[in-house]
Amino acid sequence: ETGVTQSPTHLIKTRGQQVTLRCSSQSGHNTVSWYQQALGQGPQFIFQYYREEENGRGNFPPRFSGLQFPNYSSELNVNALELDDSALYLCASSLMENYNEQFFGPGTRLTVL
Amino acid sequence: SQKIEQNSEALNIQEGKTATLTCNYTNYSPAYLQWYRQDPGRGPVFLLLIRENEKEKRKERLKVTFDTTLKQSLFHITASQPADSATYLCALGAARQLTFGSGTQLTVLP
Repeated sequence: ETGVTQSPTHLIKTRGQQVTLRCSSQSGHNTVSWYQQALGQGPQFIFQYYREEENGRGNFPPRFSGLQFPNYSSELNVNALELDDSALYLCASSLMENYNEQFFGPGTRLTVL
Repeated sequence: SQKIEQNSEALNIQEGKTATLTCNYTNYSPAYLQWYRQDPGRGPVFLLLIRENEKEKRKERLKVTFDTTLKQSLFHITASQPADSATYLCALGAARQLTFGSGTQLTVLP
């Protein structure tokens, strides 16, 4: 069984740029959720994807967008990067039928300069 | 607004003792509550889930209680070991979304 993987591990961008982060869900999982974790804080829910559609969204602006592909992998896109976007971005996969058991990937550390 | 508070940013205990971590919440009616462990630079790892109609759950050396009247969950690690040192996060679940607390950093001293 393959766990959740994320790429890249680390990323440095400058303010105003755009970034795409990638996530491969655990084998057999059909739902992917994305979280932002600032230093010293708990993860904050960005959105969730199920069957290639957004299935719930937290309090994040539209410049945070996502995609889910037929193989259930997912992308998080952030446009017009701001300094406050610097954080660890986590994805978590689950089965919609058992959505409260989420398995997290190792995260992508994004630094915005 | 919804608020989740976890007790003290850091907790130090002696090896072999029981660690007790607290999670309090306001303006929230979760269907379930979860506890996660997070090591530095890693994603959270699921430990236990307890539903709103359950009072207590156990798994090996771990025990969690959930009091929806007090709006509080307690997380216990018995016979603690240095390997238990990590940040522990509580998360409240409703409508397929998880809302996390900021975590408690636990250090078990040998």
